[in-house]
Amino acid sequence: SQQGEEDPQALSIQEGENATMNCSYKTSINNLQWYRQNSGRGLVHLILIRSNEREKHSGRLRVTLDTSKKSSSLLITASRAADTASYFCATGTGNQFYFGTGTSLTVIP
Amino acid sequence: NAGVTQTPKFQVLKTGQSMTLQCAQDMNHNSMYWYRQDPGMGLRLIYYSASEGTTDKGEVPNGYNVSRLNKREFSLRLESAAPSQTSVYFCASSELVWAVQETQYFGPGTRLLVL
Repeated sequence: SQQGEEDPQALSIQEGENATMNCSYKTSINNLQWYRQNSGRGLVHLILIRSNEREKHSGRLRVTLDTSKKSSSLLITASRAADTASYFCATGTGNQFYFGTGTSLTVIP
Repeated sequence: NAGVTQTPKFQVLKTGQSMTLQCAQDMNHNSMYWYRQDPGMGLRLIYYSASEGTTDKGEVPNGYNVSRLNKREFSLRLESAAPSQTSVYFCASSELVWAVQETQYFGPGTRLLVL
């Protein structure tokens, strides 16, 4: 399988804390994307980082990419209860995307 | 703009029955995708269509067929449903930026139960 792997599989934090989740992948990529999925809903795109970029910010989100280690991290700062969801990384290669198995984040109010 | 729409939202089938899942996008994207998501797993690609008139197999194509009807619509057909096809099915489309597929936009999903 070319799927990436997120780490940890589950994360539980207090509201206001930062949440960090990691993604490792196996092949060369054009870009790497992070998505959020609330329970029973579709996936929502959060942020895209291209293979020639090392860091990107969007609001409370910070994404890093290390192509030499084939890994990425997503940092959510000052977490809120509404951030409770599953987070997936997806690597873009050619015309296809490969999704990881996800990190389940619970933010406790 | 409605984005990506899928019908139906829920479906229960008996083993051996057939059905077609419909997907449409109004963002003028060339590429469209069908994924399945099983409990505790990420999305696995079933089929994709890089452009109108072309379709290609993904990671798990067995038991499925697809049709890219036009630029807007991409359907997924189960000819003879099996319990192993019980899953949530997502359709997506993506935008091409400098000849690279980038952001994917997802539909709300179809929950399928095969008895």
